[in-house]
Amino acid sequence: NAGVMQNPRHLVRRRGQEARLRCSPMKGHSHVYWYRQLPEEGLKFMVYLQKENIIDESGMPKERFSAEFPKEGPSILRIQQVVRGDSAAYFCASSPPEQGPVEQFFGPGTRLTVL
Amino acid sequence: SQQGEEDPQALSIQEGENATMNCSYKTSINNLQWYRQNSGRGLVHLILIRSNEREKHSGRLRVTLDTSKKSSSLLITASRAADTASYFCATDAGGAAGNKLTFGGGTRVLVKP
Repeated sequence: NAGVMQNPRHLVRRRGQEARLRCSPMKGHSHVYWYRQLPEEGLKFMVYLQKENIIDESGMPKERFSAEFPKEGPSILRIQQVVRGDSAAYFCASSPPEQGPVEQFFGPGTRLTVL
Repeated sequence: SQQGEEDPQALSIQEGENATMNCSYKTSINNLQWYRQNSGRGLVHLILIRSNEREKHSGRLRVTLDTSKKSSSLLITASRAADTASYFCATDAGGAAGNKLTFGGGTRVLVKP
């Protein structure tokens, strides 16, 4: 059973370009979370999705950022018109659909560098 | 200030010694989790402790939780060079918003051989 997959692992964009980050959850997991980590800091929650639904996007900037988790295919975090401050590591985590406290399984992350 | 703050921010010990780090948080929680992150890598889950539990063990790891003080500690016994990493606590408030985690800033642990 493969773990959480993220691609690309490294992404370089110039200011104003778009960045698309992909996350494939573990098999059987229907919950996906996106987190952002700045250098030397902890992870900050961005958005929580289930298949075809955004459940909580309270941590996501209102502009330029969007996320989706379609019925088929990976979850996508999209950043439009990137700025230098978007440079960070973006981690995706997935968990199974059970109720109650469950472990989140993290992917290796995508390191975004904005030039 | 943020939920889940670790103390100390950095810790340097000799192999074989114990390492203790603490985490404080501000709001009510459903559970608290500890993760390890090696430099430039993803997070590895270590232990989940529920709000009605006081202590939990896993191998060389011991986690305590004091909900009255809103604090938790992680003890690594007989440390090894391979334990060198950053350690993060994360709180899960539960509820309708699901299991989103709120992370602290981490404790960077260096175990010297």
